[in-house]
Amino acid sequence: DAGVIQSPRHEVTEMGQEVTLRCKPISGHNSLFWYRQTMMRGLELLIYFNNNVPIDDSGMPEDRFSAKMPNASFSTLKIQPSEPRDSAVYFCASSSRGESYNEQFFGPGTRLTVL
Amino acid sequence: GDSVTQMEGPVTLSEEAFLTINCTYTATGYPSLFWYVQYPGEGLQLLLKATKADDKGSNKGFEATYRKETTSFHLEKGSVQVSDSAVYFCALSDRRRNTGKLIFGQGTTLQVKP
Repeated sequence: DAGVIQSPRHEVTEMGQEVTLRCKPISGHNSLFWYRQTMMRGLELLIYFNNNVPIDDSGMPEDRFSAKMPNASFSTLKIQPSEPRDSAVYFCASSSRGESYNEQFFGPGTRLTVL
Repeated sequence: GDSVTQMEGPVTLSEEAFLTINCTYTATGYPSLFWYVQYPGEGLQLLLKATKADDKGSNKGFEATYRKETTSFHLEKGSVQVSDSAVYFCALSDRRRNTGKLIFGQGTTLQVKP
């Protein structure tokens, strides 16, 4: 298996632009998680899905952030409009709820820089 | 709510030194416990896990024992290498609720010098 795939790996954009981050979970996994990591705030859970349905989006910082999971093999995290404080590494992770210990598999991350 | 507390870093050690990174947790359910490692420029990857009290997880020379009486899951390694330099995260998952959600600690940076 190729593992969790994220694209792009690096994104540099200007303030006010729309940014879309993409994630392909491991085939057969039915839970998907979006995290943000910064030096100041550490690792934060933004939102997670079970069976393509958003379960908890309480970590989404504000309405500028939105996430979708149209099918079991694809999810997007969109920021519109982007701001410099959104600069961070964004990770996607997936897991199989059938496993009793809920191990999460992380993608390599997208490093976002908003100028 | 559930939470995980790790010792603050950075932890700086010489090669072949003994490593302990403390982790304690608060949970109302029956958590599984994990240690994840993040090497520079990479995502997190599972290092080891334990699913019930007194279980010992082990991998790559690292060990951690699930201690319910002290609500702890301390990470240990007898002899660290420069290649172990990374950020280590302790995490828990409430199996009873089975949401799949993990609660992470703040991470502890380990620096190993030759």
